Amino acid sequence: QQQVKQSPQSLIVQKGGISIINCAYENTAFDYFPWYQQFPGKGPALLIAIRPDVSEKKEGRFTISFNKSAKQFSLHIMDSQPGDSATYFCAASMRQAGTALIFGKGTTLSVSS
Amino acid sequence: KAGVTQTPRYLIKTRGQQVTLSCSPISGHRSVSWYQQTPGQGLQFLFEYFSETQRNKGNFPGRFSGRQFSNSRSEMNVSTLELGDSALYLCASSAGTATGELFFGEGSRLTVL
Repeated sequence: QQQVKQSPQSLIVQKGGISIINCAYENTAFDYFPWYQQFPGKGPALLIAIRPDVSEKKEGRFTISFNKSAKQFSLHIMDSQPGDSATYFCAASMRQAGTALIFGKGTTLSVSS
Repeated sequence: KAGVTQTPRYLIKTRGQQVTLSCSPISGHRSVSWYQQTPGQGLQFLFEYFSETQRNKGNFPGRFSGRQFSNSRSEMNVSTLELGDSALYLCASSAGTATGELFFGEGSRLTVL
């Protein structure tokens, strides 16, 4: 019940295309859903985050869509660029757990030029 | 503003030994979290320290321990190392709120032979 399931494991998208990564969770106590981006040799960095009272959040080319009833959320990267090639992790947490994030297994995105 | 600093960046140990990893958080951050990253299990929460007190703990054996000093710097220790402890250990600092951004360091890569 504590798991966050992420798909696909890897993704290849052409430059200018849309990258879509999906995540699903079971624990309805989760109330914070961030996405982290990790480049090789670096630690993860926060990309965008959403709370369950919002169905969509957009920051530049990155959008989170959140479906509370389905317990699913997704990351859309519009106009994907080679510089977006990285590993993306969805995560979830609950208020009483402090900074303990439950991460998905990650999606390796390659954007071909 | 300096980022999160982790030392050492790389280390090799043999089974049965112990290891201590260090983390200096961003100035002003009182929370330090530790995560283990492996190809198989992904990112897993180890523990969080806030104002020198362990606030949350993940599902890891007692061989994994940590502490935080009055200047917010943190150390984690793994005793009686096993081959499966080979991983990238990431430290993250934050203001300590449940929905606050985690700022990760570049990690300490531990290889157990």
